[in-house]
Amino acid sequence: LAKTTQPISMDSYEGQEVNITCSHNNIATNDYITWYQQFPSQGPRFIIQGYKTKVTNEVASLFIPADRKSSTLSLPRVSLSDTAVYYCLVGFYSGNTPLVFGKGTRLSVIA
Amino acid sequence: GAVVSQHPSRVICKSGTSVKIECRSLDFQATTMFWYRQFPKQSLMLMATSNEGSKATYEQGVEKDKFLINHASLTLSTLTVTSAHPEDSSFYICSARDTSDPYNEQFFGPGTRLTVL
Repeated sequence: LAKTTQPISMDSYEGQEVNITCSHNNIATNDYITWYQQFPSQGPRFIIQGYKTKVTNEVASLFIPADRKSSTLSLPRVSLSDTAVYYCLVGFYSGNTPLVFGKGTRLSVIA
Repeated sequence: GAVVSQHPSRVICKSGTSVKIECRSLDFQATTMFWYRQFPKQSLMLMATSNEGSKATYEQGVEKDKFLINHASLTLSTLTVTSAHPEDSSFYICSARDTSDPYNEQFFGPGTRLTVL
């Protein structure tokens, strides 16, 4: 599994766009990049997954450069309810292969 | 998305007692379930992988005799913390994968907060 590095914490004001970058220099050819969100005292929730270029859904966008050695999760116009820990996971997960979580980025959104 | 439930959501017990936590996949069959533990301000740590009908696979450093896992059906896995001690107090999260899902998404339960007095 590829090792990931992301900022420990970030602060943002409400209404701003937040970009969280994750480094994964040893990503393998078959690996996907997946982001999860976790609120306090809750289980993680899937946000977005991508392999290359750009992926967008109703919650976020994921930007992946051509070399795939990093990725950026973009949260548009954050609100207080986006305060959570965001985890970047890199790997090919199927069957018995569990998700392995790194330290994550603690995002604090302030009014 | 698919739903995973856990019961109880919160439990407080005395030191030395055993506690059972249930994990259910409500609308899908999960051949494999995973158990994680999370201490305050830390990330999720994988404890074991639970396979229906066979013995669980434990991560290094996790005592299999202390954390008993039973995956008796395709929708239920249980984690029993035996002879619990205060250092076992933690947030326990189960997760399941729908093996028929081509996207291989892993769904998480809401977690169980265990406090051992």
